[in-house]
Amino acid sequence: DTGVSQNPRHKITKRGQNVTFRCDPISEHNRLYWYRQTLGQGPEFLTYFQNEAQLEKSRLLSDRFSAERPKGSFSTLEIQRTEQGDSAMYLCASSLAGQGAGQPQHFGDGTRLSIL
Amino acid sequence: AQTVTQSQPEMSVQEAETVTLSCTYDTSESDYYLFWYKQPPSRQMILVIRQEAYKQQNATENRFSVNFQKAAKSFSLKISDSQLGDAAMYFCAYRSAETSGSRLTFGEGTQLTVNP
Repeated sequence: DTGVSQNPRHKITKRGQNVTFRCDPISEHNRLYWYRQTLGQGPEFLTYFQNEAQLEKSRLLSDRFSAERPKGSFSTLEIQRTEQGDSAMYLCASSLAGQGAGQPQHFGDGTRLSIL
Repeated sequence: AQTVTQSQPEMSVQEAETVTLSCTYDTSESDYYLFWYKQPPSRQMILVIRQEAYKQQNATENRFSVNFQKAAKSFSLKISDSQLGDAAMYFCAYRSAETSGSRLTFGEGTQLTVNP
């Protein structure tokens, strides 16, 4: 079990640029989640996938945000035309489906995005 | 929508002592899961303990235990024999078992300091 891996760990970019983050879940996990965490706050749900299907999106996920999970393995989260308010830690988590909602989500280290 | 509230932004405890972190939640559902996650300064979220709402018995994991009061919608975490490594941000989280959604709803967090 190598855990959930996220890249890059840190991303600094200028306002208006596009950024893309990658998440590699635990290999046998078929559910993958994205959360956003601002300083001093709890994570907020953005979206989740079961295999390659994106099953739920938060209203926080504006049209500048897009997430994909081709082939049901790794996932990417892209933010277009970044704004100052996008500065946050972006967390990825994965879990097994089935056996109800009690399956714990395992989190990665996150990608910290700073917008200049 | 469900909400999770942690009313203690900061708590401190002496090493080897016991501390209790509070969490309340609001939901109209009867079937759900509650979690406590720990986020050390390295930022990776780690599952501490999980409680299933339909189980009356309080969950216990070594030095960590919960006091789950379903009628009061309260879910506190007790850490016994506190260790320096317990210092972290602690988040309470809710997950529905009734809806098709799979998201975790987090509280604002409690920063725990352990004094030697």
